[in-house]
Amino acid sequence: DAGITQSPRHKVTETGTPVTLRCHQTENHRYMYWYRQDPGHGLRLIHYSYGVKDTDKGEVSDGYSVSRSKTEDFLLTLESATSSQTSVYFCAISATDSLWGTQYFGPGTRLLVL
Amino acid sequence: TQLLEQSPQFLSIQEGENLTVYCNSSSVFSSLQWYRQEPGEGPVLLVTVVTGGEVKKLKRLTFQFGDARKDSSLHITAAQPGDTGLYLCAGAGGNEKLTFGTGTRLTIIP
Repeated sequence: DAGITQSPRHKVTETGTPVTLRCHQTENHRYMYWYRQDPGHGLRLIHYSYGVKDTDKGEVSDGYSVSRSKTEDFLLTLESATSSQTSVYFCAISATDSLWGTQYFGPGTRLLVL
Repeated sequence: TQLLEQSPQFLSIQEGENLTVYCNSSSVFSSLQWYRQEPGEGPVLLVTVVTGGEVKKLKRLTFQFGDARKDSSLHITAAQPGDTGLYLCAGAGGNEKLTFGTGTRLTIIP
């Protein structure tokens, strides 16, 4: 257990509304990540953070923004949700000193955009 | 871009049988992880392999990293219903982002 929680666990929203997903970790890890998981695509990186206020884009960052104002919290915001953003979202942390080392995942947030 | 292909995509076998699933790439990885994911949950790390040719065992699961660090296999002996799940491999290569395969969905029939 890497001490990762995600909230909410499930959410239904309408197209065009903003949505914020929260990832919280209790073990002071430096590196945090947001992924989405879709059938046929596997896990794809949205954004990642290498410290407080230090973030960068992943391979599918369009339509998403992130913020990390505290070590323990990494927020993912969909500025204006679209149906293509219906997915399962996972937060992860790296438990090593490497940005791209072994990662541990949270339980996920299932988002449905109508 | 590094790609990881997993095979087979789906596998359904009887309890007690043995099986092997594969994770292949044309790229070299500095380390490779295997995860198991159950419905409604996040991927759970099973093992990390870092040395070419390395073999690691986790009870009935045996993981092998290829000599050239481009591929890996997961062998399960005497499969049990609790082994059912989605098995994911992920490779890390230098400063490249972690690359995930699309997974093998394993079903063990009691």
